[in-house]
Amino acid sequence: RKEVEQDPGPFNVPEGATVAFNCTYSNSASQSFFWYRQDCRKEPKLLMSVYSSGNEDGRFTAQLNRASQYISLLIRDSKLSDSATYLCVVKVGAGSYQLTFGKGTKLSVIP
Amino acid sequence: NAGVTQTPKFQVLKTGQSMTLQCAQDMNHNSMYWYRQDPGMGLRLIYYSASEGTTDKGEVPNGYNVSRLNKREFSLRLESAAPSQTSVYFCASSETDYNEQFFGPGTRLTVL
Repeated sequence: RKEVEQDPGPFNVPEGATVAFNCTYSNSASQSFFWYRQDCRKEPKLLMSVYSSGNEDGRFTAQLNRASQYISLLIRDSKLSDSATYLCVVKVGAGSYQLTFGKGTKLSVIP
Repeated sequence: NAGVTQTPKFQVLKTGQSMTLQCAQDMNHNSMYWYRQDPGMGLRLIYYSASEGTTDKGEVPNGYNVSRLNKREFSLRLESAAPSQTSVYFCASSETDYNEQFFGPGTRLTVL
C-alpha cells in the first residue's frame, strides 16, 4: 500500500463550485499533516496545516480523521486562480526531513 | 529577500557527464533539503542537511552527493549522470527541521 494516496484527478469544476479532495495515509505513527499547492511547472507552496480538530482558512477547510487515517481539503466558491495540483503531505516523525508527499490531485476551475 | 534560489533552471546532460546543482537561501534557515519530482510520483527526498556541517541520506540518495558549503548554500552533485536521473530537482529550506519548508523554483534536468 502506498504511504500517501490521493485521487490524481483531474477535477474539472465550474467557477463558484465546491470541491473536495481526499487523502489516505498508511503509517499510523504519522504526526503532522499538510496541504501544499503546486502550480504548473512551479515549486510546491504550503497551503495549510491540518489540525486534529479541523481548521479553516478563508474558503479552504481541512479535516483530519486519525482513526480512518484520512485527510480532506474542501474548497468553497472555487476561483480560476485555484487551478493547481494539491499535494497531501504527511510527516511521519518529528523532523521535517520525514515528510512524505502524495502524488497530488489536479484541479481545473473552468469559467 | 529572494527566498530559495536554484541554478541552473534547465540543463541537458549526456550520460556519464557530471554537474552540480546549486541552491542558496537568504532566510537564515538551518535546515536544507534536495528533492526530485518525477511524473506520476510524489516528491522524494534525496539528501538533507539538518544544520550546517551535517548531511544525511534521504529516500533516494544513490547516484548523488551533497555539500553543505555554509549556512546559506547546499549543492547537489551528479558524478556520472544517467537517464534515470532525468527529473525536476527542488531545493528547500526550513528554519529548523521542525518547521515549514520553503521550496526553490526547481531545476529541470534531462539526461540523454
